[in-house]
Amino acid sequence: AQSVTQLDSQVPVFEEAPVELRCNYSSSVSVYLFWYVQYPNQGLQLLLKYLSGSTLVKGINGFEAEFNKSQTSFHLRKPSVHISDTAEYFCAVTPPGSARQLTFGSGTQLTVLP
Amino acid sequence: SQTIHQWPATLVQPVGSPLSLECTVEGTSNPNLYWYRQAAGRGLQLLFYSVGIGQISSEVPQNLSASRPQDRQFILSSKKLLLSDSGFYLCAWSVEGQRAYGYTFGSGTRLTVV
Repeated sequence: AQSVTQLDSQVPVFEEAPVELRCNYSSSVSVYLFWYVQYPNQGLQLLLKYLSGSTLVKGINGFEAEFNKSQTSFHLRKPSVHISDTAEYFCAVTPPGSARQLTFGSGTQLTVLP
Repeated sequence: SQTIHQWPATLVQPVGSPLSLECTVEGTSNPNLYWYRQAAGRGLQLLFYSVGIGQISSEVPQNLSASRPQDRQFILSSKKLLLSDSGFYLCAWSVEGQRAYGYTFGSGTRLTVV
């Protein structure tokens, strides 16, 4: 079985500052990794995903994430955040085989302060 | 294109009343379908998933039930709501064998049991 740990439940940051949201996973086999964003009272939207190849993945809204196999991490970063980035962010992993079992982390609330 | 519809967007129901939330998917066949719940300040909890018509798997024993009467329709129900059923309910779909695409989420239903 796989698991996902998001180390920070809340991350406050000032506007235009850089941010890193941390995600670690546990799996004995290769996995696909995802980051989703959820704005208040909305569903989850895919930000980016790592499938294979280059370990640095770029997504929407200026976000990027780096896959580190040795550290089993998939941290999300943005060099300069905006007020509109305030949202909850979820890391997720899916094991080999079907798309049936996407395992989510507990989420990180990013709050961008003016 | 593939879309997912979830309704209603908000719902206020008294304790002991029945519940029916509906989710429909367009643009794909035989999707895997999921119901998640988010309680206030908590992560995503998988409630039910379905891999085909009439096939329902329950992840958490509770006051709720799910049904899949048609290939692209997924319904979440309760005969008698409890206060603890309040939360944000999300429907999602994925395609078997296409785990690279992750899940696509609906816009959610905010349920308040009073």
